[in-house]
Amino acid sequence: SQTIHQWPATLVQPVGSPLSLECTVEGTSNPNLYWYRQAAGRGLQLLFYSVGIGQISSEVPQNLSASRPQDRQFILSSKKLLLSDSGFYLCAWGAHYGYTFGSGTRLTVV
Amino acid sequence: GENVEQHPSTLSVQEGDSAVIKCTYSDSASNYFPWYKQELGKRPQLIIDIRSNVGEKKDQRIAVTLNKTAKHFSLHITETQPEDSAVYFCAASRSTGFQKLVFGTGTRLLVSP
Repeated sequence: SQTIHQWPATLVQPVGSPLSLECTVEGTSNPNLYWYRQAAGRGLQLLFYSVGIGQISSEVPQNLSASRPQDRQFILSSKKLLLSDSGFYLCAWGAHYGYTFGSGTRLTVV
Repeated sequence: GENVEQHPSTLSVQEGDSAVIKCTYSDSASNYFPWYKQELGKRPQLIIDIRSNVGEKKDQRIAVTLNKTAKHFSLHITETQPEDSAVYFCAASRSTGFQKLVFGTGTRLLVSP
């Protein structure tokens, strides 16, 4: 069966510091992968998606970037965090029907 | 692109009552409509979905209805229980080609004992 791993679970980072969040999927090959952000009490905003190694599409211009160095690995990064980057970051993989979400990373930028 | 609107944003019911959450979508080519439940601090989890070739689907106390002509779909929860309290998200996508779910803004459901 397919599983999705995401880490770290929580992160507190100062403004201006770099960020790296990692997501890996097991039990499937060539998955569609997604990064979503959820601000406190808000909905799910699609940040990036990827259909394969090195293929990244950005939905919203922002202070973040994504990379897919391996088939089942998806990384979300920032060179310098802003206060507005705080939120709950969710990785997901998608098949023909529906997504499976990772457990999320709660990022607080201070 | 697709746009999904969801109402109400908050819904308070008494235990045992029914709850209905409604969503509308804009892309007539969308044919897959899942519903996710997100408990506080947790990941969203799929609770039920419907495809455009059916008008209604039930799973115990939850059901989803779809009106493709009007481009709206609804989640119905009967005999609500306190553990149904959560945020519910609807979503829509095309199931062919690359799938990109577009989510509604969420409904916070509070079930009071």
